Amino acid sequence: NAGVMQNPRHLVRRRGQEARLRCSPMKGHSHVYWYRQLPEEGLKFMVYLQKENIIDESGMPKERFSAEFPKEGPSILRIQQVVRGDSAAYFCASSPQQGRTNEKLFFGSGTQLSVL
Amino acid sequence: AQTVTQSQPEMSVQEAETVTLSCTYDTSESDYYLFWYKQPPSRQMILVIRQEAYKQQNATENRFSVNFQKAAKSFSLKISDSQLGDAAMYFCAYRSDGGSEKLVFGKGTKLTVNP
Repeated sequence: NAGVMQNPRHLVRRRGQEARLRCSPMKGHSHVYWYRQLPEEGLKFMVYLQKENIIDESGMPKERFSAEFPKEGPSILRIQQVVRGDSAAYFCASSPQQGRTNEKLFFGSGTQLSVL
Repeated sequence: AQTVTQSQPEMSVQEAETVTLSCTYDTSESDYYLFWYKQPPSRQMILVIRQEAYKQQNATENRFSVNFQKAAKSFSLKISDSQLGDAAMYFCAYRSDGGSEKLVFGKGTKLTVNP
């Protein structure tokens, strides 16, 4: 059973380009969370999605960032018109259901976005 | 809003010795969960140990144990018999009970294990 798969592992973009980060949750998991880790910082929550629904996007910047988790296929975090401040590691985590704890929360290895 | 503070940016320990990593948090909630995650250079986030706030007994997982002081809002991690493979960033995290699943992380402590 493969773990949470994120790709690409490294992504380089120039300022103004678009970045698309993909996350395939573990088999049987229908809940996906995106976190961002800035240099020398802990992870910060961005958005929580279930299939075809955004449940909590309180951590998402109001502009340029969007996320989706379609019925088929991976979850996508999209950053439009990237700026240097978007350079960070972006992590995806998945769980089978909303439970009482994060015991069944599994993280991917992250995508390192570098904006030149 | 809840906050998590890790006051030790870096710690070091000799192999086979014991080290304690500190974590404090701020919340007005009575029910919540606390976690320690390990992040090695591979960047993979690995759950080390978790604690339910309603449980008075401190959680233990093999060489890892916590000292949970609810009144003091303190949640330290003790690593016994440290091994070279324990070297990593360690993050303390908080999660509310119910509602959103989102975690609030501290800034982390970099642990070095010296042979």
